[in-house]
Amino acid sequence: QSTLTQPASVSGSPGQSITISCTGTGSDIGAAESVSWYQQHPGKAPKLIIYHVSGRPSGVSARFSGSKSGSTASLTISGLQAADEADYYCNSYAGSDTRVFGGGTKLTVL
Amino acid sequence: EVQVVESGGGLVQPGGSLKLSCAASGFTVSGAGMSWVRQASGKGLEWLGPIGGNANTVHPESVKGRFTISRDDSKNTAFLQMNSLEIEDTAVYYCTAWFEDLKMEVWGKGTTVIVSS
Repeated sequence: QSTLTQPASVSGSPGQSITISCTGTGSDIGAAESVSWYQQHPGKAPKLIIYHVSGRPSGVSARFSGSKSGSTASLTISGLQAADEADYYCNSYAGSDTRVFGGGTKLTVL
Repeated sequence: EVQVVESGGGLVQPGGSLKLSCAASGFTVSGAGMSWVRQASGKGLEWLGPIGGNANTVHPESVKGRFTISRDDSKNTAFLQMNSLEIEDTAVYYCTAWFEDLKMEVWGKGTTVIVSS
């Protein structure tokens, strides 16, 4: 499977909103409502922040939201905070019970 | 407390084998969706495969035929057997557990595998 396509980096100022895209195909993102997003701070394990395209696990801030249109999923972070600076990864169902990650996006809070 | 702890990483020569363990506490591995994910230094995440309630597994092409996921319900532990290791398999290996009913996922801290001669 190929990795999903994410921008290498995005940036924003505190209080602003940013959106990270995750582009796949009709065989992965477009095939099911099964996209997850992860946040990873340096030296730490990833943390699930969005499941099933737009679900938010208990304890995850409502500033994080997810959506999907066709074969592209998106993660939006509103009210940017310094603590949001991290790497973000999308993950999608990819057919035949397999899953695939995006290449990751480094978020810089200016 | 619900947690998973990986172990078994280390230094191995190319062509060698290693078996990683993922010990679960606070839940049963047979009742969660267990998976393995790896991350090479400075690189992104790579999904290695799941083992679900029915013990079925599947792997991406990059490791198919070399890596096998299994579990021992009596030990409440999942495993990742890695054979024919290549230098490119050097990474931190994470175990994860997904709870569909709770919409919650737990990750371990990872175990490091270094493949080098």
